[in-house]
Amino acid sequence: QQQVKQSPQSLIVQKGGISIINCAYENTAFDYFPWYQQFPGKGPALLIAIRPDVSEKKEGRFTISFNKSAKQFSLHIMDSQPGDSATYFCAASIQIKAAGNKLTFGGGTRVLVKP
Amino acid sequence: GAVVSQHPSWVICKSGTSVKIECRSLDFQATTMFWYRQFPKQSLMLMATSNEGSKATYEQGVEKDKFLINHASLTLSTLTVTSAHPEDSSFYICSARVPFFLTDTQYFGPGTRLTVL
Repeated sequence: QQQVKQSPQSLIVQKGGISIINCAYENTAFDYFPWYQQFPGKGPALLIAIRPDVSEKKEGRFTISFNKSAKQFSLHIMDSQPGDSATYFCAASIQIKAAGNKLTFGGGTRVLVKP
Repeated sequence: GAVVSQHPSWVICKSGTSVKIECRSLDFQATTMFWYRQFPKQSLMLMATSNEGSKATYEQGVEKDKFLINHASLTLSTLTVTSAHPEDSSFYICSARVPFFLTDTQYFGPGTRLTVL
């Protein structure tokens, strides 16, 4: 059972454009939603994260929008640059020790930014 | 952010041999580490949760006798792939849980590419 669904699978955007990646979750107990960026042959790097008590969080060119009622959250990459070309994963976890703090990952989105 | 290292970064071994992968937290103590497996163009699959000083907790379908995990100190967890076979070839990634106020965050290592011939 895939608890976090991510779309699209791949995305091509022109330099300077906006990349938008969407995720939907099923488990309402999730209370922490990080996004990770992964380059080929490397481990994922934490990009930005949000808790459900806020609807939006911005860090530089990266913004998370969160819709608790719809159980959806999205990543917006503003002014996309060729260096942003990577695979992006959304994730969700339950922030209590009894749940093990395990991350449930989405399927990933391969973003290609064309110069 | 917190730094997690892995060693080796890549390894090639013969079928039937065992391979050990190390995961270290460099600038913090990690009571909990996680081991993932990732196939090409796929998402990360959690294999097990490694807790310092206790037995690892394996996810359903992961053979605990094949993937031995040891978390002997607060900065080191190891994954040993025993009697490796070509189907074990994959990208293995560890992460360490870093507890912040109200939020636990996982920081990932750079990964280890295992190729079994």
